[in-house]
Amino acid sequence: DAGVIQSPRHEVTEMGQEVTLRCKPISGHDYLFWYRQTMMRGLELLIYFNNNVPIDDSGMPEDRFSAKMPNASFSTLKIQPSEPRDSAVYFCASSLQAGGARNEQFFGPGTRLTVL
Amino acid sequence: SQQGEEDPQALSIQEGENATMNCSYKTSINNLQWYRQNSGRGLVHLILIRSNEREKHSGRLRVTLDTSKKSSSLLITASRAADTASYFCATDARSSASKIIFGSGTRLSIRP
Repeated sequence: DAGVIQSPRHEVTEMGQEVTLRCKPISGHDYLFWYRQTMMRGLELLIYFNNNVPIDDSGMPEDRFSAKMPNASFSTLKIQPSEPRDSAVYFCASSLQAGGARNEQFFGPGTRLTVL
Repeated sequence: SQQGEEDPQALSIQEGENATMNCSYKTSINNLQWYRQNSGRGLVHLILIRSNEREKHSGRLRVTLDTSKKSSSLLITASRAADTASYFCATDARSSASKIIFGSGTRLSIRP
């Protein structure tokens, strides 16, 4: 398995533009997580899905952020409009379970977003 | 809010020495995990310890868990340059086992 795949790896955009980050989880994993990592705030859970259904989006910072999972092999995180404070590394992770001894999460390489 | 807090925030040791990192958390847990993050990379799972376990080993890693003190430690023995990374503990709250919360991490540097 190729692991969790994220694209793009780097994104530089201007304030006000729409940004779409993409993630392909490991096949067979029922849970998908989106995280944001910054020096100031560390690693923050934004939203997670179970079987393509959003379960907890309490970490999504604002209405400018939205996430979808149209099928088991694809998810997107969209920021519209983007702002400089959104600059961060965004990680996608997937796991077999979200509880118990099998909730090990597998992380993608991340997307480094810079909003100018 | 963060569930786990690592201590120290940064640690620099000589290659070959042992490295110990600590994690404290606030609420009752089912499991505690440790992850490593190399610079510019995603996190990689190292080891999971259940709330009913006190100690677990994996290669050069030794993890302890004290649920009465709500704390855990990660020991890396005979450190190598490749161990240079950030290390995070992650806990799942019993009240919401569906997600894990990561601590702020310890930056470990191994001097050659």
